[in-house]
Amino acid sequence: NAGVMQNPRHLVRRRGQEARLRCSPMKGHSHVYWYRQLPEEGLKFMVYLQKENIIDESGMPKERFSAEFPKEGPSILRIQQVVRGDSAAYFCASSLLDEQYFGPGTRLTVT
Amino acid sequence: AQTVTQSQPEMSVQEAETVTLSCTYDTSESNYYLFWYKQPPSRQMILVIRQEAYKQQNATENRFSVNFQKAAKSFSLKISDSQLGDTAMYFCAFMKDSGGSNYKLTFGKGTLLTVNP
Repeated sequence: NAGVMQNPRHLVRRRGQEARLRCSPMKGHSHVYWYRQLPEEGLKFMVYLQKENIIDESGMPKERFSAEFPKEGPSILRIQQVVRGDSAAYFCASSLLDEQYFGPGTRLTVT
Repeated sequence: AQTVTQSQPEMSVQEAETVTLSCTYDTSESNYYLFWYKQPPSRQMILVIRQEAYKQQNATENRFSVNFQKAAKSFSLKISDSQLGDTAMYFCAFMKDSGGSNYKLTFGKGTLLTVNP
């Protein structure tokens, strides 16, 4: 059973460009979470999605960030008009019940 | 809102010795879960151990065990017979028990553990 997949693993964007991060949950998991890890920090919750629904987006910045988990395909975290402060590692986790399994993360660098 | 505090930014231990990492949390919830995650240099988050708050018995997974003190809101991780591969950042995390529903994790800032040969 493949684990949580994230791609790309590394992404470099110039300021003002868009970043799209993808997450494929473990087989059979219908809950997806996105977390952000800034340098020297723990992971901070951003958004929780089920198929076609955003359940909790209380950790998501109000502007430029959006997330979706369509009926078919991976979950997407989209960051528009990236700024240097968006540079971080973005982790996706999926769950069936109360235990979350993490992907390897996407390291976003904004130049 | 929940908070998780790890007061030891860095720790080191000699190979084969025992080390304890501290974690305290603050919550008004009565039902919840606590976790320790390990993040080695590869940055992959790996679940080490979990504890359900309603269980009085401390969880154990091989060389890893916890000391869960619910009244004190303390959840420490003990690693016995430390191995070089245990070198990693360790994060304590809290999750509310939503009665069968899923919920987000709240993480501490982490403790960097170095195991020395």
